[in-house]
Amino acid sequence: GENVEQHPSTLSVQEGDSAVIKCTYSDSASNYFPWYKQELGKRPQLIIDIRSNVGEKKDQRIAVTLNKTAKHFSLHITETQPEDSAVYFCAASSGLGGGGNKLTFGTGTQLKVEL
Amino acid sequence: SAVISQKPSRDICQRGTSLTIQCQVDSQVTMMFWYRQQPGQSLTLIATANQGSEATYESGFVIDKFPISRPNLTFSTLTVSNMSPEDSSIYLCSVSGGETEAFFGQGTRLTVV
Repeated sequence: GENVEQHPSTLSVQEGDSAVIKCTYSDSASNYFPWYKQELGKRPQLIIDIRSNVGEKKDQRIAVTLNKTAKHFSLHITETQPEDSAVYFCAASSGLGGGGNKLTFGTGTQLKVEL
Repeated sequence: SAVISQKPSRDICQRGTSLTIQCQVDSQVTMMFWYRQQPGQSLTLIATANQGSEATYESGFVIDKFPISRPNLTFSTLTVSNMSPEDSSIYLCSVSGGETEAFFGQGTRLTVV
């Protein structure tokens, strides 16, 4: 089955700096790669996702890059703000068809943005 | 997007007992997923629930411990049976919007004492 590795496990940055979180996956059939933000005591929320036919996607301060050959993808957050502090999870899926996405999650990164 | 209602939101249970968690979606979906998130850990898929067929369990999870029902296209239940303190976790149900974004319920925080 799919295996997703995520680094670093903790990341501390100064407000306004950039943060980068990296993930690798093992299943070459995976074609969908979402990133989730989970604040303490809350459910995971999708912040950005990318499909395998795209190398990069950007949404305001957040971007994701995908290298299918190397089987790795990264989350980039620019101009970090204190409200970006949370746990971030990457995930990978090959899709199940018929309206299903079986996600394999990375181990998570605790991001702390310091004033 | 899908709105998912999950209950209970939290519970404290005695070891050896069972708890049934309910998940209600505001639209019909083919597949529903149940995840476990142990304290400070990532999400691990327990099983995929299809309407009209038995759930498909991931390695390490068995039907006797985590029986699942899926009576219709908007509802599912997960039972945690014969609980032990090691079952203390957050349990989340999830559905997909087509083949893309996965939406999560608010989770059930289970503590077994």
